[in-house]
Amino acid sequence: DTGVSQNPRHKITKRGQNVTFRCDPISEHNRLYWYRQTLGQGPEFLTYFQNEAQLEKSRLLSDRFSAERPKGSFSTLEIQRTEQGDSAMYLCASSFSGIEAFFGQGTRLTVV
Amino acid sequence: DQQVKQNSPSLSVQEGRISILNCDYTNSMFDYFLWYKKYPAEGPTFLISISSIKDKNEDGRFTVFLNKSAKHLSLHIVPSQPGDSAVYFCAASESGGGADGLTFGKGTHLIIQP
Repeated sequence: DTGVSQNPRHKITKRGQNVTFRCDPISEHNRLYWYRQTLGQGPEFLTYFQNEAQLEKSRLLSDRFSAERPKGSFSTLEIQRTEQGDSAMYLCASSFSGIEAFFGQGTRLTVV
Repeated sequence: DQQVKQNSPSLSVQEGRISILNCDYTNSMFDYFLWYKKYPAEGPTFLISISSIKDKNEDGRFTVFLNKSAKHLSLHIVPSQPGDSAVYFCAASESGGGADGLTFGKGTHLIIQP
């Protein structure tokens, strides 16, 4: 499978716990994006990498959120001290210096 | 402040007829527009795009029209098929994809009735 891969697909965690999600982009893609989608809304931009450099962060990305893309390959998104409001679908997308981003299937986070 | 608006949360169309999904935007800096299709429990799938230098782009059964003066675009699907039932998102970008990724509308749930 050469598409964008996200793990895990589902995560249930207790409030206050830390969680980490992984995204493996399409191999030749140099741009990687993280989005968040809540019920009834479209995806909302969180952050963006070009290769290993994190170039942009949305104001939606609070201090409890951190993303990395070591060596410009896979990326991780960590949420510390999770809150119920963090419950959402977290989507990763990648593109090759272009517009047409390809999305993974997402990680659905439920904070209880 | 929603910069990309899809004012119809849902649309029901009979199989074989034309489906028209609409999208309005407010940011005049947007110059590239995309439509994504999303099935439940899956990520959005790219469908078709259009640059602001064009007013129409066609790909098989899918055609996107752009009216820059009205800041409006639409997606036409003809003929509509049962597999087209999904949520359709309109998305917009500033030049080069923008450092801030895409701005999405809230989506329109298209239901194709047999």
